Amino acid sequence: SAVISQKPSRDICQRGTSLTIQCQVDSQVTMMFWYRQQPGQSLTLIATANQGSEATYESGFVIDKFPISRPNLTFSTLTVSNMSPEDSSIYLCSVEGTGNTEAFFGQGTRLTVV
Amino acid sequence: QKEVEQNSGPLSVPEGAIASLNCTYSDRGSQSFFWYRQYSGKSPELIMSIYSNGDKEDGRFTAQLNKASQYVSLLIRDSQPSDSATYLCAVNSGVNSGYSTLTFGKGTMLLVSP
Repeated sequence: SAVISQKPSRDICQRGTSLTIQCQVDSQVTMMFWYRQQPGQSLTLIATANQGSEATYESGFVIDKFPISRPNLTFSTLTVSNMSPEDSSIYLCSVEGTGNTEAFFGQGTRLTVV
Repeated sequence: QKEVEQNSGPLSVPEGAIASLNCTYSDRGSQSFFWYRQYSGKSPELIMSIYSNGDKEDGRFTAQLNKASQYVSLLIRDSQPSDSATYLCAVNSGVNSGYSTLTFGKGTMLLVSP
């Protein structure tokens, strides 16, 4: 499976500010996925990032709040904009496995908004 | 709406016992099923995948799938305290716009006591 490096691993941010999370993969991948895991909850897909095109957002998530970049086949960023305490979550970057059905995750970014 | 249901637990078992974790899903067209283990503060780790009805064994882990009943389970034999974690069931929702996505359950917390 691919090695996925995500940073920062954690951050504490002031409300109203923005945080950009980086995800680096050690091999070229077509799709990269961003998930959110709120406290005590499961993983919810935010959006899918395909290199060279706009990210596809799931219901309830919008580009203005979670802009995503995908400049090449090994890198993506997710920005959490104009943060509020409700954005406190773990944010996870993911790529597909060789079977194109399973998912592998980065270490996650634990975000606390105060 | 595609749903994956799990008992949140905690499921408590003594060391050496068999732990049985269950999951049901709503999308009858689902084809791929996965179990992830998530230690507290860590990202999910893929431990089992299953694609056809029946049992699939890998070491101490056995995944069971019954598509007619829309049911998938994970058995952990000879449970160890190091197995204490939250186990997430994930179902592949099929191909949408050229890529497949996973729907996750909320997870079952397993506690193995020495």
